[in-house]
Amino acid sequence: EVRLLESGENLGQPGGSLRLSCEGSGLIFSSYAMTWVRQAPGKGLEYVSSISAAGGSTHYAEPVKGRFTVSRDNSKNTVYLHMNNLRVEDTAIYFCAKDTMPQAVYNLDYWGQGILVTVSS
Amino acid sequence: DIVMTQTPLSLSVTPGQPASISCKSSQSLLYSDGKTYLTWLLQKPGQPPQVLIYEVSNRFSGVPDRFSGSGSGTDFTLKISRVEAEDVGVFYCMQTTQLPVTFGGGTKVEIK
Repeated sequence: EVRLLESGENLGQPGGSLRLSCEGSGLIFSSYAMTWVRQAPGKGLEYVSSISAAGGSTHYAEPVKGRFTVSRDNSKNTVYLHMNNLRVEDTAIYFCAKDTMPQAVYNLDYWGQGILVTVSS
Repeated sequence: DIVMTQTPLSLSVTPGQPASISCKSSQSLLYSDGKTYLTWLLQKPGQPPQVLIYEVSNRFSGVPDRFSGSGSGTDFTLKISRVEAEDVGVFYCMQTTQLPVTFGGGTKVEIK
């Protein structure tokens, strides 16, 4: 059974930094691209970032470009989202999702439970 | 960016009755490989999104056959043949044909 579990610091200040992790199990993690999607409280879904299976290709949504960095460690079955220069509007539940292909993005088939990140002074 | 427009915003359905949700994209979702990367998601209260339909009309593993998807190009439809109480939540369409991935605004389904 494929499982994705997000974790990390979930309270940050404006201008500060946080790192989220997403660990996968039940899959050959190194074979698939991974994507981060977020959902502000009471709002819809918003694309954040993707990384290819080998980590050589990354993509970012405009609102986070230059502030967030996605990376992965396939030896640990984990993808990371490094969030810098945080803004109040980054407050959201962050989901990681698995792709069906090594390149991003084709079909996102499995999603993690999500982690609530709050940015507040 | 491709804009995804879903209608209606909400639905109130009697159990056992059918329901239909429309999703329109601002550009064709047909990719160069001949496939159309349009997915339907259901987010039940307090849960993450789950995949119902991928590539327009393919039911994901374990999804009941009362859910079906159709469409092509820029117009897509999700149909529920007989709504059940467990179908309560928000349905989203999502396109992954072109980055950035974009989502419809969601359709909230309630049971009468």
